[in-house]
Amino acid sequence: GQQVMQIPQYQHVQEGEDFTTYCNSSTTLSNIQWYKQRPGGHPVFLIQLVKSGEVKKQKRLTFQFGEAKKNSSLHITATQTTDVGTYFCAGHGSGAGSYQLTFGKGTKLSVIP
Amino acid sequence: DAGVIQSPRHEVTEMGQEVTLRCKPISGHNSLFWYRQTMMRGLELLIYFNNNVPIDDSGMPEDRFSAKMPNASFSTLKIQPSEPRDSAVYFCASLTWGTEAFFGQGTRLTVV
Repeated sequence: GQQVMQIPQYQHVQEGEDFTTYCNSSTTLSNIQWYKQRPGGHPVFLIQLVKSGEVKKQKRLTFQFGEAKKNSSLHITATQTTDVGTYFCAGHGSGAGSYQLTFGKGTKLSVIP
Repeated sequence: DAGVIQSPRHEVTEMGQEVTLRCKPISGHNSLFWYRQTMMRGLELLIYFNNNVPIDDSGMPEDRFSAKMPNASFSTLKIQPSEPRDSAVYFCASLTWGTEAFFGQGTRLTVV
């Protein structure tokens, strides 16, 4: 079945440093989505990428979708304490009748003030 | 819309008891997912429905787990009998295929 791997599992950074998390799928995806879960909360949608090679930005966050539509990355520039949480990638399969939304295990970001 | 509504928010039960978790998806969404989250295993997909039909339940850990979606506005996840290792946060999420998933607040289950 479809599997989505995400690395690293944990990341500790000093406030102001950059942060990147990587996502790889075992199969071609129709889209990639990114979510953020604050401690004690539930995953909240950040963005969706659909096109091969697509790059999107949200303020200090940059999201990329690979050319083969099997990998993605999230980069945060100059982290702040408000960035603390777990970041998940998730993808919809591209096969006919593929309704599954598969999540990676997430990268837990800690920001040291 | 009030979003995805899960109940109860917290459940503490004794081993061997039956537990029923409930989910009301967002009106108009045709896909519903049940996830389980633990520190060790992260966010695991248990089962998902499309147009009220179970599509893939391969993530359901054992026969003790069952899920139903009798109509487009309601789903249940039942554990019978419950065991301490079932302790986790259970999330329900709904979406229209190809779009973002909206998660409920989750049910924190503790089995003692």
